[in-house]
Amino acid sequence: AQTVTQSQPEMSVQEAETVTLSCTYDTSESDYYLFWYKQPPSRQMILVIRQEAYKQQNATENRFSVNFQKAAKSFSLKISDSQLGDAAMYFCAYRSRFGNEKLTFGTGTRLTIIP
Amino acid sequence: DAGVIQSPRHEVTEMGQEVTLRCKPISGHNSLFWYRQTMMRGLELLIYFNNNVPIDDSGMPEDRFSAKMPNASFSTLKIQPSEPRDSAVYFCASSFLPVQGMDYGYTFGSGTRLTVV
Repeated sequence: AQTVTQSQPEMSVQEAETVTLSCTYDTSESDYYLFWYKQPPSRQMILVIRQEAYKQQNATENRFSVNFQKAAKSFSLKISDSQLGDAAMYFCAYRSRFGNEKLTFGTGTRLTIIP
Repeated sequence: DAGVIQSPRHEVTEMGQEVTLRCKPISGHNSLFWYRQTMMRGLELLIYFNNNVPIDDSGMPEDRFSAKMPNASFSTLKIQPSEPRDSAVYFCASSFLPVQGMDYGYTFGSGTRLTVV
């Protein structure tokens, strides 16, 4: 079974600065997807960014980018120019590319933005 | 599109009562998922459907929980009888997964916060 580990329960960053959230995962599969979801206080789960394991290139979405290290099974999220609206819980998630469609989530990192 | 719609947003019920949570997925999506979120256990998959057929219900805690998807636009999660330990936020999510192609991730509903007293 796949597992996802987020070792940072809480992080904080000064507004306009850059922060990196860590995620590692364990799998025996070679083809899969990785995701970062954001959950603000409204509790809505919002997809931030996704990565296909077969792609070498790291995904980027505006101020959000990932550092995907397949051999190390690492998938970190970098948030540049942090804004107050980035304050939320961030969840890393894994999904097999074939077979079971379920998402396996990490335990989350609570990000606080300091004005 | 209005997104994934869940109702009710909040539910408070007494122990032993039946609770029904509802979900309308995004039109055209072929998979639907029910997740439960608690502080202790995080986000857990309860069950998921593909083309209205239950595929993986290994996360359903016990016989008190049941889920149905009678058609592509509606699903229910029922708890009978409810217990205080069922208190959690229950999320419904849907996705479209073509046989071959990209996976764009799930779209989640706003969740139902269930409190059993």
